[in-house]
Amino acid sequence: DAKTTQPTSMDCAEGRAANLPCNHSTISGNEYVYWYRQIHSQGPQYIIHGLKNNETNEMASLIITEDRKSSTLILPHATLRDTAVYYCIVRDRYGGATNKLIFGTGTLLAVQP
Amino acid sequence: NAGVTQTPKFQVLKTGQSMTLQCAQDMNHEYMSWYRQDPGMGLRLIHYSVGAGITDQGEVPNGYNVSRSTTEDFPLRLLSAAPSQTSVYFCASSPGANEQYFGPGTRLTVT
Repeated sequence: DAKTTQPTSMDCAEGRAANLPCNHSTISGNEYVYWYRQIHSQGPQYIIHGLKNNETNEMASLIITEDRKSSTLILPHATLRDTAVYYCIVRDRYGGATNKLIFGTGTLLAVQP
Repeated sequence: NAGVTQTPKFQVLKTGQSMTLQCAQDMNHEYMSWYRQDPGMGLRLIHYSVGAGITDQGEVPNGYNVSRSTTEDFPLRLLSAAPSQTSVYFCASSPGANEQYFGPGTRLTVT
């Protein structure tokens, strides 16, 4: 699975859009980009995933560059409850035999009132 | 659906004791996994199962056993607890090669 690089931390004002970047320059053609988040003391929560097209669901939007070497997770109207560590994970669609996720250290998003 | 449930939420063990962390899911998912998370680090895979009766090792399996006698349950057994096993343990399930659903975690301290 390709390696990802994320900023250690970011701040965002409540009500504004939060844009979380992720670099994955070694991504291969069959690898998807997944985003999870972990609110303090809770289990990780799936947010969204995509291959090459931009994706949107009720939680967020995922923008993947045309060369697929980077992506941005967008929370359109951040709230205090969105304060969490956000993990960008690149993996084969079928995850290999283990279906495992390789978590890095992620980005700590702090939403400020 | 209750989703993925884990018991207990907190546990303190003495070195050498054994115990079982319980994990159950009511979503009829095939895949189940156990991860551990140490302070300031990401999650690491301990053991996983692709279906009832099938289990395999992840990246940090030493000191842990698992079994999968039913689709719903995937208990994790610590054979002889050591201080290095102090961690937060998360169980996850998924309906095949899709997003994973995590439980709330068990916080284990070994003294």
